[in-house]
Amino acid sequence: IAGITQAPTSQILAAGRRMTLRCTQDMRHNAMYWYRQDLGLGLRLIHYSNTAGTTGKGEVPDGYSVSRANTDDFPLTLASAVPSQTSVYFCASSDQLDGTDTQYFGPGTRLTVL
Amino acid sequence: GQNIDQPTEMTATEGAIVQINCTYQTSGFNGLFWYQQHAGEAPTFLSYNVLDGLEEKGRFSSFLSRSKGYSYLLLKELQMKDSASYLCAVMDSNYQLIWGAGTKLIIKP
Repeated sequence: IAGITQAPTSQILAAGRRMTLRCTQDMRHNAMYWYRQDLGLGLRLIHYSNTAGTTGKGEVPDGYSVSRANTDDFPLTLASAVPSQTSVYFCASSDQLDGTDTQYFGPGTRLTVL
Repeated sequence: GQNIDQPTEMTATEGAIVQINCTYQTSGFNGLFWYQQHAGEAPTFLSYNVLDGLEEKGRFSSFLSRSKGYSYLLLKELQMKDSASYLCAVMDSNYQLIWGAGTKLIIKP
């Protein structure tokens, strides 16, 4: 792997179903983030993690949960999907000690909840 | 509240120069970022400014004025491949990125 990967690429999900979006990075970045991107709106932070074992809530955390068991992986779980969670989800990572904390993004997961 | 403003859409001609503006009001400031995002793809990092002034990187330059809460991205010698959305983001006092909605740049031949 080079960089940051996400799976699946896209998914259609029935409302009420549970879904986990996967994110893996191989850059040994300490921080990882989940965003959603909706048409006409800026990227909105769902959850973040500054280091393995810790997580925090972003701007729109309701209906989502995350875990950070190790440095590389940061899965996002929708416990019971609703149509308003239809969006494109981006995972990102950053090295908070590199002086700029620049975030690098995965390719995204396009999720449709019906 | 925190706010990032940038134009929704701009049109420019191949070979020309375009300036995309971004104004911000945030709780604290720890740097301003510009990203490029082609349709259906992920944002990719273009530039970072934390001090006032101009940062030049090839055909792209980014300017920052912290006192005015203002930045711009300057694209020179426009190419068709520059057609994309350009996202402005500010890192606030909590070191979280606040994102603008993006400027869609359309390049015409």
